[in-house]
Amino acid sequence: GAVVSQHPSRVICKSGTSVKIECRSLDFQATTMFWYRQFPKQSLMLMATSNEGSKATYEQGVEKDKFLINHASLTLSTLTVTSAHPEDSSFYICSASSSGVGGYTFGSGTRLTVV
Amino acid sequence: QQPVQSPQAVILREGEDAVINCSSSKALYSVHWYRQKHGEAPVFLMILLKGGEQKGHEKISASFNEKKQQSSLYLTASQLSYSGTYFCGTEGTDSWGKLQFGAGTQVVVTP
Repeated sequence: GAVVSQHPSRVICKSGTSVKIECRSLDFQATTMFWYRQFPKQSLMLMATSNEGSKATYEQGVEKDKFLINHASLTLSTLTVTSAHPEDSSFYICSASSSGVGGYTFGSGTRLTVV
Repeated sequence: QQPVQSPQAVILREGEDAVINCSSSKALYSVHWYRQKHGEAPVFLMILLKGGEQKGHEKISASFNEKKQQSSLYLTASQLSYSGTYFCGTEGTDSWGKLQFGAGTQVVVTP
């Protein structure tokens, strides 16, 4: 089945630093990937849609200068949280669709803690 | 706009049944169902594309009423492994590919 690999699984960083999260589709090509954020005991909130070869589209209220998305190839999308603050601490998850399977496959998620 | 899920939580004994509902105010292209265990990423269960469509995954099935913009997930003869938080994700006809998730329904299956 379709597999989406996400790294790192956990990261702790100091306030003011930047963190990069990678999302790779391992056995299929993904022209579009999605980035979600999930706070404890809450639902997944769509942050942005990552499109290969073009700019990402961000949901309302999501700062594009803070959450930089790069979709460099058909199998890799990255999310960089710039100048991270404690309120950015959350579970970040990417997803992609393999057209032959239906539904979306999620990465394993990244638990970000900003101290 | 986020779909509305109900109930918020349900506790079942092994072997019992439960229904989780998902309702949207928007016209829908599809409804997805996912299950998430604590600390893990959501796992895809099924997708429903047509009005009145029903699908099944082992003893978990779902229906989609396109006209009412509603979907229901049926847990039949629940097993301990069914415990987790279930999310519906809706894809609007005006926002292809983007899923909006409900708040989730926490399911606890006890022996």
